[in-house]
Amino acid sequence: GAGVSQSPRYKVAKRGQDVALRCDPISGHVSLFWYQQALGQGPEFLTYFQNEAQLDKSGLPSDRFFAERPEGSVSTLKIQRTQQEDSAVYLCASSNRTGSRSPLHFGNGTRLTVT
Amino acid sequence: DAKTTQPTSMDCAEGRAANLPCNHSTISGNEYVYWYRQIHSQGPQYIIHGLKNNETNEMASLIITEDRKSSTLILPHATLRDTAVYYCIVRLNAGGTSYGKLTFGQGTILTVHP
Repeated sequence: GAGVSQSPRYKVAKRGQDVALRCDPISGHVSLFWYQQALGQGPEFLTYFQNEAQLDKSGLPSDRFFAERPEGSVSTLKIQRTQQEDSAVYLCASSNRTGSRSPLHFGNGTRLTVT
Repeated sequence: DAKTTQPTSMDCAEGRAANLPCNHSTISGNEYVYWYRQIHSQGPQYIIHGLKNNETNEMASLIITEDRKSSTLILPHATLRDTAVYYCIVRLNAGGTSYGKLTFGQGTILTVHP
């Protein structure tokens, strides 16, 4: 596909369930970012991958959040024992290079609702 | 990363130019100015970016002041589909630990009226 693809588009989980959110970046893109966007707020950084290496996970809110990108392409964000405060849109973005000269291209996100 | 200040909201008439201001008075020499917009229920969409010079593409123009402390995004002929939240972001060049990540603020809600 031409853009970043995220699935599922919507996810409803009961409190305490585990969820896995998938991101298919643009083919060949080296950099991959995950963001969390609460209602009415701007996106907030969660974690960054350069190829398969997770170089920055400083934005992950707790140890219940885990991200991986084992082959340097598809990435999965996993949230264990979901809580209501985890309800948000989770956005994935990719870029064809590292550094600030190349724009990030975002997917349309996964809207997670924890009941 | 340098902080940006944008008006909370703006209105524009359809067909007129929309001029969205952004202050980034603490910007440093190796930081880019990026603009994104986000339409309801979609991910942020890249618009344009620049370092020192003014830039233009098919979507918009970016005017950066000579001292780089502020910039203006210009949508030359706004349409109803341009109604969105517009984010002005100062992006630190990779090196150190930032990896060129984007730090979003609250943005400007632009409403284009018929």
